[in-house]
Amino acid sequence: AQSVTQLGSHVSVSEGALVLLRCNYSSSVPPYLFWYVQYPNQGLQLLLKYTTGATLVKGINGFEAEFKKSETSFHLTKPSAHMSDAAEYFCAVPQGGSNYKLTFGKGTLLTVNP
Amino acid sequence: KAGVTQTPRYLIKTRGQQVTLSCSPISGHRSVSWYQQTPGQGLQFLFEYFSETQRNKGNFPGRFSGRQFSNSRSEMNVSTLELGDSALYLCASSLRRRKGGYTFGSGTRLTVV
Repeated sequence: AQSVTQLGSHVSVSEGALVLLRCNYSSSVPPYLFWYVQYPNQGLQLLLKYTTGATLVKGINGFEAEFKKSETSFHLTKPSAHMSDAAEYFCAVPQGGSNYKLTFGKGTLLTVNP
Repeated sequence: KAGVTQTPRYLIKTRGQQVTLSCSPISGHRSVSWYQQTPGQGLQFLFEYFSETQRNKGNFPGRFSGRQFSNSRSEMNVSTLELGDSALYLCASSLRRRKGGYTFGSGTRLTVV
């Protein structure tokens, strides 16, 4: 079964600095990969999604993610962090077949310091 | 258009009681999934319903159950509550789930005391 691993449960950056949140998938190239964001006391919001064939995926709020097959990675980046980016970020991969569901990474809490 | 609506937002229950959570999906979405989120276990899949039929179920005890109505609204029920059931329960609806079109609600925060 597919799984994703998020390296770093907590990432702290200064406002204006580069944001890099790491996600690696487990095995064969999945047809889809997702990044979700969760603000305090909220549900999950889809940031962006990878579909087969794409390499650089652009999402909302200035985020983007690069799919690298050679590294089995789908890291999330933003050139310049804003205070409003402080949230928890989840990478997710769908389990295919008839038992379709999303499997999430453990999450990375992003703190943005003024 | 309205998003996924979950009610109530917060709930406090006592061990041994049962609870019912409600989810109204986006209009036109027939797939509804439920996830449990806890600090220790993260986000875990509970079950999915489509057109009133349970299509998929996660690894949770039989105390966790759900259903979907003809208008696609879904409810999940937890009987004989345990302290470990304290969690954020998230509902997600989808028009075309295989293309990742999940929209999540804000969740119901259940506290069992």
